[in-house]
Amino acid sequence: GAVVSQHPSWVICKSGTSVKIECRSLDFQATTMFWYRQFPKQSLMLMATSNEGSKATYEQGVEKDKFLINHASLTLSTLTVTSAHPEDSSFYICSEKGQGNNYGYTFGSGTRLTVV
Amino acid sequence: AQSVTQLDSQVPVFEEAPVELRCNYSSSVSVYLFWYVQYPNQGLQLLLKYLSGSTLVKGINGFEAEFNKSQTSFHLRKPSVHISDTAEYFCAVSERGGGNKLTFGTGTQLKVEL
Repeated sequence: GAVVSQHPSWVICKSGTSVKIECRSLDFQATTMFWYRQFPKQSLMLMATSNEGSKATYEQGVEKDKFLINHASLTLSTLTVTSAHPEDSSFYICSEKGQGNNYGYTFGSGTRLTVV
Repeated sequence: AQSVTQLDSQVPVFEEAPVELRCNYSSSVSVYLFWYVQYPNQGLQLLLKYLSGSTLVKGINGFEAEFNKSQTSFHLRKPSVHISDTAEYFCAVSERGGGNKLTFGTGTQLKVEL
């Protein structure tokens, strides 16, 4: 099946700094990548949908200037948390969508971000 | 817009006992349905999915689920659980032909006890 490599798995950063999270599709070309945020003991909240070569579509309430998404190639999508604050501390997960017989969603292993 | 309801936030069960995790969905169009498992500080792993065809879907680790269109349900079952099944389980739905966003339920914590 499809494999998505996400890193880093965890990161601690100081308030005001920026953090970049990468997701790579290892075995096929992901036209569409989804980015989620998960608070402790809660479900996944979709933040944005990114399509290769175009601007990401953000969900209502998600600050596009704070959570920068780049999907420059079919195998790489990045999420940059800019000017991070403690309230941005969370678990971030990416997911790619398969097509045809491989229809489904494959998730990265997640990134635990802690802003101090 | 679609939505998913997982009524049970926690389900305690003894090892080797059967378990059912409930999932109901709401959508104005046909849907695809999924069950995922999440272990602490990890991503989600697909257990099984319903796209079309047989309403009884078998997945990994001995899990199965049955799509019931009239009751808009997709309950997950396992006849005999193991300690290693302790995890968070998420039911999810995406609409056919739409933007294909995946909407998750709130999750059910399955705790298997000796």
